[in-house]
Amino acid sequence: AQSVTQLGSHVSVSEGALVLLRCNYSSSVPPYLFWYVQYPNQGLQLLLKYTTGATLVKGINGFEAEFKKSETSFHLTKPSAHMSDAAEYFCAVSEMKTSYDKVIFGPGTSLSVIP
Amino acid sequence: DVKVTQSSRYLVKRTGEKVFLECVQDMDHENMFWYRQDPGLGLRLIYFSYDVKMKEKGDIPEGYSVSREKKERFSLILESASTNQTSMYLCASSLPPPGQGSYYEQYFGPGTRLTVT
Repeated sequence: AQSVTQLGSHVSVSEGALVLLRCNYSSSVPPYLFWYVQYPNQGLQLLLKYTTGATLVKGINGFEAEFKKSETSFHLTKPSAHMSDAAEYFCAVSEMKTSYDKVIFGPGTSLSVIP
Repeated sequence: DVKVTQSSRYLVKRTGEKVFLECVQDMDHENMFWYRQDPGLGLRLIYFSYDVKMKEKGDIPEGYSVSREKKERFSLILESASTNQTSMYLCASSLPPPGQGSYYEQYFGPGTRLTVT
């Protein structure tokens, strides 16, 4: 069965510093990988996705992630943190079924940005 | 602008009550999902529906049922609420997968925080 682990349930960075959120997955087939973001009191929003092709994926708000098959990783980065980046971030892997994509979510990482 | 709405943001119910959580989407999506979100556990799929009146169990269906009478509306039902069902409930919708190598994202509602006392 597929699974997702996120190292660090809570990460704090200073404003302007590099953001690095770690994600590792287990999958028996080539995966589809995602990062979702959840701002306070809101639902989840897709940040970026990897399906096929280029392994470096760019998303919204300056975030990007790199698919590394050999490391089974899909870490999320942003060069310079902004206060508005404070949110919960979920890494996820998709397992395609006949009629829907079953998305398996990691436990989440809460990002705090210190002024 | 795509939209998934949920009937309540906050709900407090007593143990043993029957609870209805409603979700409506305006995107004509075939697929709709109910997730439960708990700290440290991420999101777990309760039920999903791929068409009107069609449903399938997710990973944690025990204690829940669903209803989908119209394409835009998907209801989650707690037949007899218990304290261990206190949680955040998220509804989502999507189009069916277009095929290998492609993906249609799931759109989420704002969530309903349910407290069972």
